Amino acid sequence: QVQLQESGPGLVKPSQTLSLTCTVSGGSISSGGYYWSWIRQFPGKGLEWIGNIYYSGNTYYSPSLKSRVTISVDTSKNQFSVRLSSVTAADTAVYYCARHRVGQCTGGSCEWLDPWGQGTLVTVSS
Amino acid sequence: SSELTQDPAVSVALGQIVTITCQGDSLRSYYASWYQQKPGQAPVLVIFGKDNRPSGIPDRFSGSSSENTASLTITGAQAEDEADYYCNSRDNSGDHVVFGGGTKLTVL
Repeated sequence: QVQLQESGPGLVKPSQTLSLTCTVSGGSISSGGYYWSWIRQFPGKGLEWIGNIYYSGNTYYSPSLKSRVTISVDTSKNQFSVRLSSVTAADTAVYYCARHRVGQCTGGSCEWLDPWGQGTLVTVSS
Repeated sequence: SSELTQDPAVSVALGQIVTITCQGDSLRSYYASWYQQKPGQAPVLVIFGKDNRPSGIPDRFSGSSSENTASLTITGAQAEDEADYYCNSRDNSGDHVVFGGGTKLTVL
């Protein structure tokens, strides 16, 4: 089955750029049908969707992060990545990647995130 | 603040029925999906669409939707169901993905 694994630095200095990569195994990003999302969870527990990307490179971002975030895909490596610039302590969180399906269910539009990676804690501190 | 509202905490006696709700105007147009998260673990999808369970999710979990409210029901709650539960759907514009604030379920 499809599995996702986040990787990247666990400590980033304020004002620098956070960079994480998600490696997908057990399935190909290029096969289509799915978006690939980044989500973060703050220490107080709330979840925030950061954005997603399709294998073609089309991206969608949270309006609150749009000015600082870039999501990219490398289909040759079956990976997708997120970069968040000008980080502050408020960006300290566990960062997750997940496969994101958007479609039509009986009776209306539906979408879901499954599976998720195990998550990686990123701390912003000097 | 989130455009999807959940009660912060709910409790249920072992073996009883419990319903966790998620409210938001966007739910009149979009289904919610539901995630279970246990301490130190990533969220796990338990319900999506009208009432669909991924493979491996027990059939005591079910979903429903009415007007601006989505509901997750656990029929016969087990000790292992104690966790945080999050709903997920679209914002009111329909353009962006949002999560509810989460509900901590305690099984007594």
